[in-house]
Amino acid sequence: GAVVSQHPSWVICKSGTSVKIECRSLDFQATTMFWYRQFPKQSLMLMATSNEGSKATYEQGVEKDKFLINHASLTLSTLTVTSAHPEDSSFYICSAPLAGGPTGELFFGEGSRLTVL
Amino acid sequence: AQSVTQPDIHITVSEGASLELRCNYSYGATPYLFWYVQSPGQGLQLLLKYFSGDTLVQGIKGFEAEFKRSQSSFNLRKPSVHWSDAAEYFCALSNFGNEKLTFGTGTRLTIIP
Repeated sequence: GAVVSQHPSWVICKSGTSVKIECRSLDFQATTMFWYRQFPKQSLMLMATSNEGSKATYEQGVEKDKFLINHASLTLSTLTVTSAHPEDSSFYICSAPLAGGPTGELFFGEGSRLTVL
Repeated sequence: AQSVTQPDIHITVSEGASLELRCNYSYGATPYLFWYVQSPGQGLQLLLKYFSGDTLVQGIKGFEAEFKRSQSSFNLRKPSVHWSDAAEYFCALSNFGNEKLTFGTGTRLTIIP
């Protein structure tokens, strides 16, 4: 099946620094990728839709300047948490649909756990 | 607005016993429904999906789910659970032509010997 990989799988950073998380589709092209955030013992909340060649679409309440998304190629989307603070600590998961596949069928990355000290 | 409700936050089942995880949805039309499983610290794996047709769908790892329009439900079942089934289970829906998923809050499944 289609594989989506995230890197790093976990990262610890100091407050005020920026952290970049990569999401790659390894064996298929993804014009769209979705970024989710998951708090401990809670569900996944959609943050934004990453679109190759155009600006990302953010969900209501998500700060665009805080969470920078760049869809650099058909296989890579990056999420940069800028000026990170402890409240940004979370599990971030990306997903991508397989082009030509059934609508709504997404492939998820392994997730990236961010801890901001 | 569409929503997904998983009434059970945590369920404990004995190994070998049957399992049913509940999922209710709110949506104006027939949604696309999914069940995903998440092991600790991992991403999500698709167990099964319902788009149309037969309301009883079979998935991987011996799971099945039944779509009941009258009850707005899509409950997940397994006749006999294994210790490896311990995980977090998420029900989700999307609307036609849109891959955005709305997730339920999840049900954590614990298996006891």
